[in-house]
Amino acid sequence: KAGVTQTPRYLIKTRGQQVTLSCSPISGHRSVSWYQQTPGQGLQFLFEYFSETQRNKGNFPGRFSGRQFSNSRSEMNVSTLELGDSALYLCASSRASGTFSYEQYFGPGTRLTVT
Amino acid sequence: GQQLNQSPQSMFIQEGEDVSMNCTSSSIFNTWLWYKQDPGEGPVLLIALYKAGELTSNGRLTAQFGITRKDSFLNISASIPSDVGIYFCAGQLGSGGGADGLTFGKGTHLIIQP
Repeated sequence: KAGVTQTPRYLIKTRGQQVTLSCSPISGHRSVSWYQQTPGQGLQFLFEYFSETQRNKGNFPGRFSGRQFSNSRSEMNVSTLELGDSALYLCASSRASGTFSYEQYFGPGTRLTVT
Repeated sequence: GQQLNQSPQSMFIQEGEDVSMNCTSSSIFNTWLWYKQDPGEGPVLLIALYKAGELTSNGRLTAQFGITRKDSFLNISASIPSDVGIYFCAGQLGSGGGADGLTFGKGTHLIIQP
């Protein structure tokens, strides 16, 4: 079974631009969560989508948004990029129901550099 | 908000030694997860724990869910070079259905000297 895939793997953007990152979950997984990883703050939860609805949200500004499609694929958008948004953005999927529903499996991440 | 204190921050050990790391929380969690992350990759799930007091093994790895539900530990026996990496604990409230956001520790950087 294929794992979580994320595109693109690397991205360089300029301050003030916006960016869209994509995530395809493991087949059969209905929940997609997004995390930001930086050396200073570590891994921080951004938001979680289930059945095309945002169910949980971390403590990030409104510049960070996302959506989920009917096939469970998800996108994350960051508008008006700041230098501090440079990070590894990780997507994780889970079954979200039944046994082991809380186990989250991560993709390889998208390395975003803002200059 | 919730915080996870993971220790130690880093470990320098000899190949073949056993390793122990732990996480403590200011809040109760219903699920504890342990991940390993290699450079340039996403975290890989090692062990998931669902019940207070639960002890679970995965090969040379053993993890336990603390009785108070505020702590967990991970042991690695007879370390080998491929164990090198950063190990993260993560807690999840897991109330209701589906995945709540994981709260992560800062990680334990394991370095093995041959």
